[in-house]
Amino acid sequence: NAGVTQTPKFQVLKTGQSMTLQCAQDMNHEYMSWYRQDPGMGLRLIHYSVGAGITDQGEVPNGYNVSRSTTEDFPLRLLSAAPSQTSVYFCASSLFSGTVFNYGYTFGSGTRLTVV
Amino acid sequence: DAKTTQPTSMDCAEGRAANLPCNHSTISGNEYVYWYRQIHSQGPQYIIHGLKNNETNEMASLIITEDRKSSTLILPHATLRDTAVYYCIVRALTGANNLFFGTGTRLTVIP
Repeated sequence: NAGVTQTPKFQVLKTGQSMTLQCAQDMNHEYMSWYRQDPGMGLRLIHYSVGAGITDQGEVPNGYNVSRSTTEDFPLRLLSAAPSQTSVYFCASSLFSGTVFNYGYTFGSGTRLTVV
Repeated sequence: DAKTTQPTSMDCAEGRAANLPCNHSTISGNEYVYWYRQIHSQGPQYIIHGLKNNETNEMASLIITEDRKSSTLILPHATLRDTAVYYCIVRALTGANNLFFGTGTRLTVIP
């Protein structure tokens, strides 16, 4: 049982490049989400999903796309990287009983992204 | 979701109880109190959550005041590995599952 797996752990991009951050969970969790954390700050929600085929925007969605084709995977795409997207990205998942989120989140170990 | 207020930092001696306070004076009747912690640069870790009754698990205890306007997370015997940033979050169980993390309390356990 690996929990939430994020790849890569580190990435350096040039401005304008695109890339996909991978997130996979093996706990059959319906809910998955992406957060970013900038130095000295709390986590901010980018996008989330309550099940395959369902996604929605969080606090800071601009510049990012997501899709959820399977329960297990929730990739985050940077369309055209900018230095402002330099951050640590965390993926999280939890159980979801339709309308009740009475469970804690499980977080991945993060992807440290630098855009130069 | 209701806003929470936490001290920026706290110290605790190793082996003693660490009591981390959180104010949430605007909490609604259907909102729960969640606690997470983040050790160094790792992903946050779920600790505990509760509605109005005190809760205890293998990691910690959560004490919620009767008026639910504040709560305290208690680590009964703090170890050096408990040094982390602790986040208090208030949210309802229904609706969008958006956990909003503030800046939390940086707990330093001192040998």
